[in-house]
Amino acid sequence: LAKTTQPISMDSYEGQEVNITCSHNNIATNDYITWYQQFPSQGPRFIIQGYKTKVTNEVASLFIPADRKSSTLSLPRVSLSDTAVYYCLVGARAGGYNKLIFGAGTRLAVHP
Amino acid sequence: EAQVTQNPRYLITVTGKKLTVTCSQNMNHEYMSWYRQDPGLGLRQIYYSMNVEVTDKGDVPEGYKVSRKEKRNFPLILESPSPNQTSLYFCASSLTGVAFSNQPQHFGDGTRLSIL
Repeated sequence: LAKTTQPISMDSYEGQEVNITCSHNNIATNDYITWYQQFPSQGPRFIIQGYKTKVTNEVASLFIPADRKSSTLSLPRVSLSDTAVYYCLVGARAGGYNKLIFGAGTRLAVHP
Repeated sequence: EAQVTQNPRYLITVTGKKLTVTCSQNMNHEYMSWYRQDPGLGLRQIYYSMNVEVTDKGDVPEGYKVSRKEKRNFPLILESPSPNQTSLYFCASSLTGVAFSNQPQHFGDGTRLSIL
């Protein structure tokens, strides 16, 4: 089963670019890498998903190297409202069905 | 509006009193799942369902039951709740299981359970 490892916490300042790296050494061939954002007392919210190379949307970019053993979520020019917990999620196969594993998450604090 | 609806949002109850947390989605999603979230432990999957009448255990299934009789509903049942099940619970759904598609999971707003 592919488990993930992320930094527990990160600090940044408004206007800076933030990069959060997730390790997933045992990622399976068919697995996608997904990142979610969670604010206190709310359900996680999808940010971005990718399989390989680079994916970009209006919120973030996701960089995935060729070996896919890690991925980096990049948040450009963060603001105070980006303060949240960010989860790296990798789909894992178990018994023929998909078993999803959330990492512990990275708590990002953005300061003025 | 596409959404995952959980009820109740808050519940305080006592040990041993059976309770059910309902979850309903209006997106015709096949995959549904329950998570619990505890401080410092992130989200842990309790049960998931790939489709009607198909359910399987997640990482922390002990003390919980689920059923999937209809596509839209996936209730979480605590037959005999205990204080260690005090937690924040989330239901989620996606078109199919995430690992084999690019369909993200949609989460409900959570149910905060306190078992005294």
